[in-house]
Amino acid sequence: GAGVSQSPSNKVTEKGKDVELRCDPISGHTALYWYRQSLGQGLEFLIYFQGNSAPDKSGLPSDRFSAERTGGSVSTLTIQRTQQEDSAVYLCASFRTSGRTGETQYFGPGTRLLVL
Amino acid sequence: AQTVTQSQPEMSVQEAETVTLSCTYDTSENNYYLFWYKQPPSRQMILVIRQEAYKQQNATENRFSVNFQKAAKSFSLKISDSQLGDTAMYFCAFMNYGGSQGNLIFGKGTKLSVKP
Repeated sequence: GAGVSQSPSNKVTEKGKDVELRCDPISGHTALYWYRQSLGQGLEFLIYFQGNSAPDKSGLPSDRFSAERTGGSVSTLTIQRTQQEDSAVYLCASFRTSGRTGETQYFGPGTRLLVL
Repeated sequence: AQTVTQSQPEMSVQEAETVTLSCTYDTSENNYYLFWYKQPPSRQMILVIRQEAYKQQNATENRFSVNFQKAAKSFSLKISDSQLGDTAMYFCAFMNYGGSQGNLIFGKGTKLSVKP
C-alpha cells in the first residue's frame, strides 16, 4: 500500500478482555516497530521485527503483551486481560532496511485503545 | 541509557512569525541520528526533518531548519513563516547508529499552536 495502515482506528473494551491490533506495513519494508503513546507522553518503544530474525521484545511492559508478524508483513499486537492503564494510542512504524540504521520510520495512524 | 528532553510543553506563535522548539538529549555515543516529528490531531506521525550527528551542517527542509549543537547535545527546530497547518504536537527523537536495530527514543513533545 501507499502507507502504513492500522486497524481498528479506535477500540473500546472492557477490563479483562483480550484485544488484537493490526498493522499493515509499507510493501517491501522489512523492519516493523510497535510504539505506545500514553496521554500527554511521548512514544514508548514496545517491540521490533526485522526480517526473519527473532523480534526484540525488550520494550513490552508485561507478559500480557505479545506480537507476531506473519510472512514478514502484517503484524498483530495482542494484549491479554486488558487493564485500564493499557489505554493509549498504539502506533506502528515500518522502514526499509539494508542493514543500516538511521533510515526514516514511517508511521501508521495508530489505534486508540480505551479500556473501561 | 539515552534520554530526550523537550522543556517546552506548550508554545504559541502568530501566523507568519518564527518559532523555535527546544530539544536536548543525553548519550555517550558519538554517532547517532536526530529527528523531529510532527503529530497533528489526526495522530499521524510525520517526519519533519532529520540530522546525522556526523554532519556539521544543519539540516534544512523548506521552512524548517535545525540548530544542531553536538557538544551541547542540543537539537532545536526553527519554523519560519509559521502557518496555521503547523499547529500540532512536535516530538524530538533520537536513534542510535550501528547495527540493524534502531528504535526511536522520543521526548514528551511540545504542543505548538499557530494563531491567526
